[in-house]
Amino acid sequence: EIVLTQSPGTLSLSPGDRATLSCRASESVSINFLAWYQQKPGQAPRLLIYGASTRATGIPDRFSGSGSGTDFSLTISRLEPEDFAVYYCQTFGSPLTFGGGTKVEIK
Amino acid sequence: QVQLQESGPGLVKPSQSLSLTCTVSDDSISSGGYYWSWIRQHPGEGLEWIGYIYYSATYYNPSLKSRVTISADTSKNQFSLKLSSVTVADTAVYYCARGTDSFIAYWGQGIQVTVSS
Repeated sequence: EIVLTQSPGTLSLSPGDRATLSCRASESVSINFLAWYQQKPGQAPRLLIYGASTRATGIPDRFSGSGSGTDFSLTISRLEPEDFAVYYCQTFGSPLTFGGGTKVEIK
Repeated sequence: QVQLQESGPGLVKPSQSLSLTCTVSDDSISSGGYYWSWIRQHPGEGLEWIGYIYYSATYYNPSLKSRVTISADTSKNQFSLKLSSVTVADTAVYYCARGTDSFIAYWGQGIQVTVSS
């Protein structure tokens, strides 16, 4: 089972700041199978990035994903007020697994 | 675009079975090619994949496999989750979702299920 470890647990930033979130896998993951989601309170997760770096439909270009092997990252270039949320990485295996999440909160 | 809606009881007694249904709109679960999933989220915690049905085959999280059954009713365009012998640890928001082999693009709104006597 692949374990995804996200860091930091919480990121305290201000609107306009750059956010960099990390997702580390316990073993190598194909870039095809690494996705990122955003979740706001009381809502279902929303797909942001798939294939490690491809933005999903309608996702603003301030969101970008990168990485390969065991180290992946999600970058939000300039935080907008609506970006403060929890972010999860996910890989498709057996089982399908999610990271523990990074909360991006307003500083 | 595809829409998914969970339904079922919000309260289940310990040791009983939890049964939820996901009704799919604007897509056919029998058309193939997608993984129809159940995912849950314990209060204040992260996401846990329960399992999915792909064509007629089912795949379950090993940690839940002994208690989980996912099935599909193509005539109603629904798929279902049954989780047996529930405990308070099964209290969570349960989501149904449609995914590919690499990501999950469509999610239901989620349904809160509480296990309590």
